[in-house]
Amino acid sequence: DTAVSQTPKYLVTQMGNDKSIKCEQNLGHDTMYWYKQDSKKFLKIMFSYNNKELIINETVPNRFSPKSPDKAHLNLHINSLELGDSAVYFCASSQALDTATNEKLFFGSGTQLSVL
Amino acid sequence: TQLLEQSPQFLSIQEGENLTVYCNSSSVFSSLQWYRQEPGEGPVLLVTVVTGGEVKKLKRLTFQFGDARKDSSLHITAAQPGDTGLYLCAGASLQTSYDKVIFGPGTSLSVIP
Repeated sequence: DTAVSQTPKYLVTQMGNDKSIKCEQNLGHDTMYWYKQDSKKFLKIMFSYNNKELIINETVPNRFSPKSPDKAHLNLHINSLELGDSAVYFCASSQALDTATNEKLFFGSGTQLSVL
Repeated sequence: TQLLEQSPQFLSIQEGENLTVYCNSSSVFSSLQWYRQEPGEGPVLLVTVVTGGEVKKLKRLTFQFGDARKDSSLHITAAQPGDTGLYLCAGASLQTSYDKVIFGPGTSLSVIP
């Protein structure tokens, strides 16, 4: 059983298109995240949701809109794709907002987005 | 702005050698985590250290959190090809009501058989 699953694994699209990436976790976690990993492998948080409520929005362009229909799902919709959006996008989840002690982030296997 | 630096950026060693990778910051973190990421996969947590000066061992891996909670090291003894991967440190800092986790740029380790 995959704990955090995201689809698609690969996404190739033209500039200006709109695309969505879906994420689901079956761990019963309350918190879900979207991270972006650039070509230099730098992993940066984009959004965090706790029980369907937006907690963290790291100055991501408005073209990126996360949607959480329930606490097990956090989808990412991207409008008007740009070349600079090319990266690997990771969904993650954790039991709670407090990762300081014994909580940990569970990551999906990533979606490699290529904008041509 | 909190930043984490990691060194070295790339490391290629022979099987059986020992190595240490470092994670440094000018900021204090409430905890620090180490993840390993293999190609085509997401990062997987190896350990969380919370107390300054804390040392944790995971088989051949030894993790240390600096006394001031600003830095950490990962030492691997007798490296094996299965240790190959990208090692990421991640620091958590307590915000008002949640932890914000930031990642370092990673150390890419290649262990040659």
